[in-house]
Amino acid sequence: ETGVTQSPTHLIKTRGQQVTLRCSSQSGHNTVSWYQQALGQGPQFIFQYYREEENGRGNFPPRFSGLQFPNYSSELNVNALELDDSALYLCASSSTPDMSGELFFGEGSRLTVL
Amino acid sequence: GQQLNQSPQSMFIQEGEDVSMNCTSSSIFNTWLWYKQEPGEGPVLLIALYKAGELTSNGRLTAQFGITRKDSFLNISASIPSDVGIYFCAGQTSGTYKYIFGTGTRLKVLA
Repeated sequence: ETGVTQSPTHLIKTRGQQVTLRCSSQSGHNTVSWYQQALGQGPQFIFQYYREEENGRGNFPPRFSGLQFPNYSSELNVNALELDDSALYLCASSSTPDMSGELFFGEGSRLTVL
Repeated sequence: GQQLNQSPQSMFIQEGEDVSMNCTSSSIFNTWLWYKQEPGEGPVLLIALYKAGELTSNGRLTAQFGITRKDSFLNISASIPSDVGIYFCAGQTSGTYKYIFGTGTRLKVLA
């Protein structure tokens, strides 16, 4: 069984740039959630994708957007990067979107904004 | 952003000791998850709880879903050096898609 994989693992951007992060869900999982984890904090929910549509969103501005593809993989896009966007971005997959289900996380993409 | 209260914030214990940590919320949750995260890695799921009062074990780890549905507890028995890491709780309310995570408990085990 293949786990959740994310790319890239690390990247550095400057303020105002745009970034795309990628995630492949665990085998058999059709739902992908994205979380932002700032240094020293717990993960914060950004949004969830199910059947290629956004299925719920946390308190993040519209410059955070995403996609889900037919193979259930997903992208997180962040436009107009700000210094506070520096964080570990975690992708989690689950087998159902809204039942109480277990989230399985990838290793994360560490974004540094200068 | 919203986070659950976890305590203690950090713990330094001797190898072989038992550890207890808890997580509290002002909201009622239908699911509690417990994770361990090591530096540079994503959180790894340890235990999932689905019913008030439920007690679930995974090896040396035992977690409980509080009766009020507003808290959860994690115990680690006979700690070993590889238990070092940050432990997070996460709760989910009915009808929502997101999990709310705790602030984390940093565990250090002294050999």
